[in-house]
Amino acid sequence: QQQVKQSPQSLIVQKGGISIINCAYENTAFDYFPWYQQFPGKGPALLIAIRPDVSEKKEGRFTISFNKSAKQFSLHIMDSQPGDSATYFCAASIPGVTGGGNKLTFGTGTQLKVEL
Amino acid sequence: EAGVAQSPRYKIIEKRQSVAFWCNPISGHATLYWYQQILGQGPKLLIQFQNNGVVDDSQLPKDRFSAERLKGVDSTLKIQPAKLEDSAVYLCASSLAPPLTGGDQETQYFGPGTRLLVL
Repeated sequence: QQQVKQSPQSLIVQKGGISIINCAYENTAFDYFPWYQQFPGKGPALLIAIRPDVSEKKEGRFTISFNKSAKQFSLHIMDSQPGDSATYFCAASIPGVTGGGNKLTFGTGTQLKVEL
Repeated sequence: EAGVAQSPRYKIIEKRQSVAFWCNPISGHATLYWYQQILGQGPKLLIQFQNNGVVDDSQLPKDRFSAERLKGVDSTLKIQPAKLEDSAVYLCASSLAPPLTGGDQETQYFGPGTRLLVL
């Protein structure tokens, strides 16, 4: 059961442009929404994360916008650079009721290419 | 700070053979995860350990997959016998503490993964 839907599957942006990736979720119990960046041959690395009590979080060129009523959140990359070319995954998790770590449910990923 | 270590990085086996993957988490991280990432998809959690106990193995195909974390540090994931559809990258991740505390302690740090090809 896919609980986090991600779009687009791929994205090409010109250098200096804005990259926007969208995710939608179904389970209202999710309370933590991270974005991961993955380069070829590497494991995913946390980029930025948000909780549903805020509508926006910004860290440098990366911003998460969160719409709780629509159950949607998005990643905005401002001034996109060729070095941002990677696969981006949204994810969501529910608090671990057993005391273990949060179980992350990932989206299907977006391949971003930033062209010169 | 050293990251999550995994070995081997690549493995090619014939179907019905067995294979094992090893993971060494970041020092002091209590929680360890194994994910399966099929090409073109997001990682899917297979099993989650808290110290040396299993927290969640609901998506682990237990007829062929097994995992252990005997001393609460290193972990191994085994597949026996392997099927063609097991071809994927197997990612290990670790995090510092249980999630009920929230905050940065929830961050999962991923290793580089083991790329498995089953022929």
